[in-house]
Parts: sequence; C-alpha cells; structure tokens
Amino acid sequence: EIVLTQSPGTLSLSPGERVTLSCRASQTVTSAYLAWYQQKPGQAPRLLIYGTSTRATGIPDRFSGSGSGTDFTLAISRLELEDFAVYYCQQYDNPPWTFGQGTKVEIK
Amino acid sequence: QVQLVQSGAEVRKPGSSVKISCKASGGTFNGYSMNWVRQPPGQGLEWMGDIAPIFRIANYAQKFQGRVTITADESTGTAYLELTSLRSEDTAVYFCARDYAVKSPYFEFWGQGTLVTVSS
Repeated sequence: EIVLTQSPGTLSLSPGERVTLSCRASQTVTSAYLAWYQQKPGQAPRLLIYGTSTRATGIPDRFSGSGSGTDFTLAISRLELEDFAVYYCQQYDNPPWTFGQGTKVEIK
Repeated sequence: QVQLVQSGAEVRKPGSSVKISCKASGGTFNGYSMNWVRQPPGQGLEWMGDIAPIFRIANYAQKFQGRVTITADESTGTAYLELTSLRSEDTAVYFCARDYAVKSPYFEFWGQGTLVTVSS
C-alpha cells in the first residue's frame, strides 16, 4: 500500500502568515490522485482539495494544492483563525486508499 | 444536499461484534460508493473499505479482511459496517463517507461519526 508521510507534525503560526504543508508518498501517485482534508476537534473531515490542485465546492482561494509524483503540497496563503486545525492528505491512486498521519496547525 | 446520518455510540466487550449504520438522504444512493473510515482517539484516519450499492460489491482493506462486512440496503438508502472479534484497539470514531463522484474515491460528504468503545 502507498504510505503517505506528512511534515511537519505540528506548526505554530500566527494569523496572516503563509503556511506550506508537505505530503510525501512511498511510491508515485499517478494521475495526481491526491486530496487534502481539514479536520477540527469533534468534527468530520472537510474536503479541501482533490486531483492535487482542484478546490472543492466553497473552499476559499487562499487554499491551494500542488505537486506530482511523490511530493505534494498544500499551501494556505494567509492564515485565518478558522484555519487552525489538523490537515490530512489522502491518495486514491491505488487501493487501499490511505491517509497521511496529519499536520496540526496551531496558534502561536 | 447530501446528508449522511449515522447511528449512535456503542459500547462493546472484547470479542464481541458491532454493527453501525449510515443513512443517506439527498442525492442518489445507488450511484456512488459508500466508504467507512475510522479514527482512533487522538490519531489519524484509516480507510476500512467501501461498497458500491448498485452492484452490492464491497472492497476491504487487507488489514480488516475477515473481520469486517460492509453492506447496503438500497430500499432505505442505508449502508452498514459490521466489525467482529472486537479488541481494545478497535475503539475509534467510525465515519461513513460518500465518494465525490463515480469512481472518485475522495470524500466531500461525511457522516457525523459513531464512537465505538471496546472495553471489558
């Protein structure tokens, strides 16, 4: 199965800052079949990005995704208070679909 | 708007089994695969398997093969997850999540989660 490794584990940032989250796959994710989710405590995950770079319905344009092969990135251009959460990447290239272990973005 | 409503929290003893449900409303139930994803306390997300209701074909992550059964009732628009031989490590929140589109296994619609606690 494809193992996804996210880094860093935790980021401590202030509102307004730019953040870049990394997701590295153990083997090539073909056709850019990678998604990103945001999860807040006590809630289900929320789909942010699919197909590496396509924003889901209603997702603000401060969120952007990029990458190919084994290296993928989620960027948030200017952190808003509601963006402090845990972020997961997911590959859907090869079953079983797998998730990274998550990156927590916390308020500094 | 698609809504997925799951059954309530469960407490089970080790070695027993649990069956939880996920009722869909809005959208077309048969047209999209339904997935089950679990999340142990304080940990990440783990895909368990899915079912294509129209074909009644389920796929499972190898880790859960032999212990998990996913079914779907088209008449009620409800998907089910049954997990047997429960152990403490199965304590988790279990989510159902619908494929975004046909053959697009990323998840825009999620249930609210069902906490399953396995404890003696």
